[in-house]
Amino acid sequence: NAGVMQNPRHLVRRRGQEARLRCSPMKGHSHVYWYRQLPEEGLKFMVYLQKENIIDESGMPKERFSAEFPKEGPSILRIQQVVRGDSAAYFCASLEPTALNEKLFFGSGTQLSVL
Amino acid sequence: SQQGEEDPQALSIQEGENATMNCSYKTSINNLQWYRQNSGRGLVHLILIRSNEREKHSGRLRVTLDTSKKSSSLLITASRAADTASYFCATAMNSGYSTLTFGKGTMLLVSP
Repeated sequence: NAGVMQNPRHLVRRRGQEARLRCSPMKGHSHVYWYRQLPEEGLKFMVYLQKENIIDESGMPKERFSAEFPKEGPSILRIQQVVRGDSAAYFCASLEPTALNEKLFFGSGTQLSVL
Repeated sequence: SQQGEEDPQALSIQEGENATMNCSYKTSINNLQWYRQNSGRGLVHLILIRSNEREKHSGRLRVTLDTSKKSSSLLITASRAADTASYFCATAMNSGYSTLTFGKGTMLLVSP
């Protein structure tokens, strides 16, 4: 059973471009979280999704950021018109539908660098 | 604001010594979890303790929870160089749908 897969591992964008980060949860997991981590800091919650449904997006900026988790395919975190301040590691995590609010399984993250 | 706050921010010990990290939180919780992160990697779940539990063990790990003080501690006994990592506590406020909120972490360095 493959773990949580994130790609790309590293993403370089110039200011104003779009960044698309992908996350495939573990098999059988229908809930996905996205977190953002700045150097030397903890994880900041962004959004919590179930397939075809956003459960909690209170941590996601209203402008430029969006997330989806379609019925088929990976979850996508999309950042439009990136700025230098968006540079960070973005982590996706999934959990079992029968174990809500319990053990999260994390991917290895996408390191976004904005030039 | 962060729900969990770990202390110390950094801890440096020798192999064989015990390492203790603390976590404080602000609101009532359903459970508290500890995670480990190696540099440049995702977090790995270590242990979960529920609000009605006071202590839990897993191998060399011992976790305590004091809901009256809104605090938890993680003890790693007989530490090894391979334990070098950052350790984070995370709190879940509700059962069911709940956002897990992480602290800023304790960076542990275990020297051979």
